[in-house]
Amino acid sequence: EDQVTQSPEALRLQEGESSSLNCSYTVSGLRGLFWYRQDPGKGPEFLFTLYSAGEEKEKERLKATLTKKESFLHITAPKPEDSATYLCAADMYSGGGADGLTFGKGTHLIIQP
Amino acid sequence: DGGITQSPKYLFRKEGQNVTLSCEQNLNHDAMYWYRQDPGQGLRLIYYSQIVNDFQKGDIAEGYSVSREKKESFPLTVTSAQKNPTAFYLCASSIQLTANSPLHFGNGTRLTVT
Repeated sequence: EDQVTQSPEALRLQEGESSSLNCSYTVSGLRGLFWYRQDPGKGPEFLFTLYSAGEEKEKERLKATLTKKESFLHITAPKPEDSATYLCAADMYSGGGADGLTFGKGTHLIIQP
Repeated sequence: DGGITQSPKYLFRKEGQNVTLSCEQNLNHDAMYWYRQDPGQGLRLIYYSQIVNDFQKGDIAEGYSVSREKKESFPLTVTSAQKNPTAFYLCASSIQLTANSPLHFGNGTRLTVT
């Protein structure tokens, strides 16, 4: 069964303390790996799409990387406004499009001032 | 500003009643989706639609129904047959039903059934 596992479930950091969130996948034939940010009581907001191993994408303090088995979301010198739940989702060849998307449960990130 | 509007934000219903959640988008996207989010679980797909007058069941369609009469609108009805309807419901859209089209989400409707 195709699975997407995010770790840790929750992470508390001090402002400026860099860290990484992990998204491991066992999907058969990856078409794309997506990262989203979700604030409490709101819908997820798209951050990145990665398609092939070795690919990297950056946006402000966030950098997403992809290997054949996992993706990392690196957060450099985070600020309190980076506090949110970060979701990853894997799109499989067998599905195609959002009907083939498998979401992880998310990492709840808290950045303390 | 273009986006997806879900209404209402909070909805309360008695058990046994059907309820319809609204989703409207002005992004001119062809594809629309409904997801359910429960604590401690990943998003789960209920229904999706690639084009007007066409929709497909997702992973957890039982107890739900949808319509797609207009490109902009994709309402979800939670019927009395849904055994655990209390959840956070998210509507999304994308340019097309492909891996190159990331989802754009609305801000959700929190449904409570007692």
